[in-house]
Amino acid sequence: QQPVQSPQAVILREGEDAVINCSSSKALYSVHWYRQKHGEAPVFLMILLKGGEQKGHDKISASFNEKKQQSSLYLTASQLSYSGTYFCGTENTGNQFYFGTGTSLTVIP
Amino acid sequence: NAGVTQTPKFQVLKTGQSMTLQCAQDMNHNSMYWYRQDPGMGLRLIYYSASEGTTDKGEVPNGYNVSRLNKREFSLRLESAAPSQTSVYFCASSEPLKGWTGAYEQYFGPGTRLTVT
Repeated sequence: QQPVQSPQAVILREGEDAVINCSSSKALYSVHWYRQKHGEAPVFLMILLKGGEQKGHDKISASFNEKKQQSSLYLTASQLSYSGTYFCGTENTGNQFYFGTGTSLTVIP
Repeated sequence: NAGVTQTPKFQVLKTGQSMTLQCAQDMNHNSMYWYRQDPGMGLRLIYYSASEGTTDKGEVPNGYNVSRLNKREFSLRLESAAPSQTSVYFCASSEPLKGWTGAYEQYFGPGTRLTVT
């Protein structure tokens, strides 16, 4: 029931774009995205709800395809500060919440 | 506000020893959670508490017990530690997002790095 994230790792140069995908086998009510820097706690980035509402970060966007039970996180014009591990968390219609295994993002100068 | 605090930051136990991880939040949140994080496994929910006086099992509850002492505090106890419980443990609390139905943001503590030898 843990969502699957892809890719597992990505390396970017500053200014490049990245897409991180999250896929679930269950019907979803919401998708959450968190970022964790090395040695620190995860920090909330955004949430997307079934029906299209979303609340999140001003420099990061995401989409939620309810029919495909998938979400994608879009990081545009990446900055060094974007480096970290990104986790999606999915809440299914049975109110069960699971985090994905994470995507490691490294931005280099 | 301190947010979510956890003690201790680091702990080494021998197999069979017991210990309690402490967590407190000062944000007046109803819901609190305990996760463990292992390399390549992401964050897995051990137990959660939707409100004071209630607790429920998560994905990996075996070997753990919890107590929701009051609204602020949620502790995790390992009765007989095993090497498989070597992990980083995170406590979190959450509140509903204002004006949103069914949406919430989790706030995480700094984590406890536990090694069982």
